Amino acid sequence: DAKTTQPPSMDCAEGRAANLPCNHSTISGNEYVYWYRQIHSQGPQYIIHGLKNNETNEMASLIITEDRKSSTLILPHATLRDTAVYYCIVRISNFGNEKLTFGTGTRLTIIP
Amino acid sequence: DARVTQTPRHKVTEMGQEVTMRCQPILGHNTVFWYRQTMMQGLELLAYFRNRAPLDDSGMPKDRFSAEMPDATLATLKIQPSEPRDSAVYFCASGPPHGTEAFFGQGTRLTVV
Repeated sequence: DAKTTQPPSMDCAEGRAANLPCNHSTISGNEYVYWYRQIHSQGPQYIIHGLKNNETNEMASLIITEDRKSSTLILPHATLRDTAVYYCIVRISNFGNEKLTFGTGTRLTIIP
Repeated sequence: DARVTQTPRHKVTEMGQEVTMRCQPILGHNTVFWYRQTMMQGLELLAYFRNRAPLDDSGMPKDRFSAEMPDATLATLKIQPSEPRDSAVYFCASGPPHGTEAFFGQGTRLTVV
């Protein structure tokens, strides 16, 4: 699985959009981009994933560049409960029963 | 509301003692993962099972760790003997045969003194 690079930390004001970047310049054509987050003292939680098209669900939007070398997770209206570590993961499989390899993630702090 | 259940949530034990952590995966999920999280190493995959058979345990120290799935509703992770460096949060997750996300439990916080 390709490696990812994320900023170690970010702040965002409550109510604003939080944009979390991820670089995955060595991604292969058949690899998916996944995002998980881990709120303090809890297990990681799935957010969203995509292959090459932009994706949106009730939690977030995922924007993948045309060359697929980077992506951005967008939390449209951040709340204090969005304070967490966000992990960007690149993997071949899009099945939930395949392993995930976590990096160091981005610690997002939502400021009141 | 389906969830992965881990017990105990917290465990403090003395060095040299045996520790057993338990995980009940979500009904219908065919894969169980064990992860360990420390400040230094982050989230590391220790082992995982599919249809109760071990698929990969290369991340697990073989001399003291063992993982099993006695049945489809129970996965166990044992450490014998435990050492202070085993202090960490141990997460179990389960994954469905169809569907795109794995579900994590709340973790077992292990402290070995």
